[in-house]
Amino acid sequence: DADVTQTPRNRITKTGKRIMLECSQTKGHDRMYWYRQDPGLGLRLIYYSFDVKDINKGEISDGYSVSRQAQAKFSLSLESAIPNQTALYFCATSAAVGTYNEQFFGPGTRLTVL
Amino acid sequence: GQSLEQPSEVTAVEGAIVQINCTYQTSGFYGLSWYQQHDGGAPTFLSYNALDGLEETGRFSSFLSRSDSYGYLLLQELQMKDSASYFCAVNTGFQKLVFGTGTRLLVSP
Repeated sequence: DADVTQTPRNRITKTGKRIMLECSQTKGHDRMYWYRQDPGLGLRLIYYSFDVKDINKGEISDGYSVSRQAQAKFSLSLESAIPNQTALYFCATSAAVGTYNEQFFGPGTRLTVL
Repeated sequence: GQSLEQPSEVTAVEGAIVQINCTYQTSGFYGLSWYQQHDGGAPTFLSYNALDGLEETGRFSSFLSRSDSYGYLLLQELQMKDSASYFCAVNTGFQKLVFGTGTRLLVSP
């Protein structure tokens, strides 16, 4: 079974619609992250959470919100989707302590906003 | 601002050695990571340098010079399966990563 799962894997929606992307993990990690990836721009951090009661904005949080429903679940919402939010979205997790600061990524959600 | 610079594309042949450079300018620095991403796949961790010097993991090595704000990933004995994008990423504190724009490595027979 995959350690970090994301649903849906692909989604096409229309401008103005509300959409939620979900992430679940079985790694037992406290820390979870949401990134978006655009061609030529690498990955950019949207939000991150260090535990259920901790939510922090990343470098590009405008237009997004998140919810940490449990240690294992972290969802990303677009309240009113716009075309420039078309991108590949990745969820990632990491342990609170570790030698390599390794982040483990889910398979990604490809979102298209028309 | 935060910026990481790496070449956009590198080409090499099977069996060769290739070096992918990364220079960074960030507001905080706790370490430099490297991730590999195949087309259509998720990024996967390769290496991490918190201190100056060379870290070796099999065919891959990573180097860091904090005084020069510079690091590189060295891939030896290249294989076709190494064709992928490679990202450097700076840990700016509390495991918050700022990623470079990626280097696409094309390995030919």
